Amino acid sequence: AQRVTQPEKLLSVFKGAPVELKCNYSYSGSPELFWYVQYSRQRLQLLLRHISRESIKGFTADLNKGETSFHLKKPFAQEEDSAMYYCALDTGGFKTIFGAGTRLFVKA
Amino acid sequence: DTAVSQTPKYLVTQMGNDKSIKCEQNLGHDTMYWYKQDSKKFLKIMFSYNNKELIINETVPNRFSPKSPDKAHLNLHINSLELGDSAVYFCASSQDAFYEQYFGPGTRLTVT
Repeated sequence: AQRVTQPEKLLSVFKGAPVELKCNYSYSGSPELFWYVQYSRQRLQLLLRHISRESIKGFTADLNKGETSFHLKKPFAQEEDSAMYYCALDTGGFKTIFGAGTRLFVKA
Repeated sequence: DTAVSQTPKYLVTQMGNDKSIKCEQNLGHDTMYWYKQDSKKFLKIMFSYNNKELIINETVPNRFSPKSPDKAHLNLHINSLELGDSAVYFCASSQDAFYEQYFGPGTRLTVT
């Protein structure tokens, strides 16, 4: 079955500390993976996707097909990174499966 | 310019009523979606449309009926509302499968 797992509901780090939001997926095909972010009182928006291999706002994510993971990382967290983060798997059939989300809280 | 808009933003109604949520996108996208976000913030796809055709109906009760009058609009009508329908409903659009999705602001539905 197709599934996206984000094991942490809440992640709390201090400003300047590294942060890693975990995402594991279950899919037999070739995955298209995304990270979406929802800041307070804003709509859900794309943060990055694996195919673009970009670093957005200091965040990177590497697709590891062996471990079926797409963890989101940032070396130095900022207070403005506090938000809800969703990992998403697009199966190509106009169906996107979202993980349960991880709330990141960056403390001053 | 708002890319994906939804109305209303808030909807409070009683059990048994029928209500509609409207969604419009001005991005020229071919694909539109409805998602339900429950109280635990879990986001689950309900429907997806491509070129006005229903592609995905994710085991949603048939009290929920989406309608796409044209590619820019995807409305959601809900009959006989139940307490468990209380949630935030998000509309989204994308150019095609595998593309970034653009989300609306959400409609918070509360059924009393």
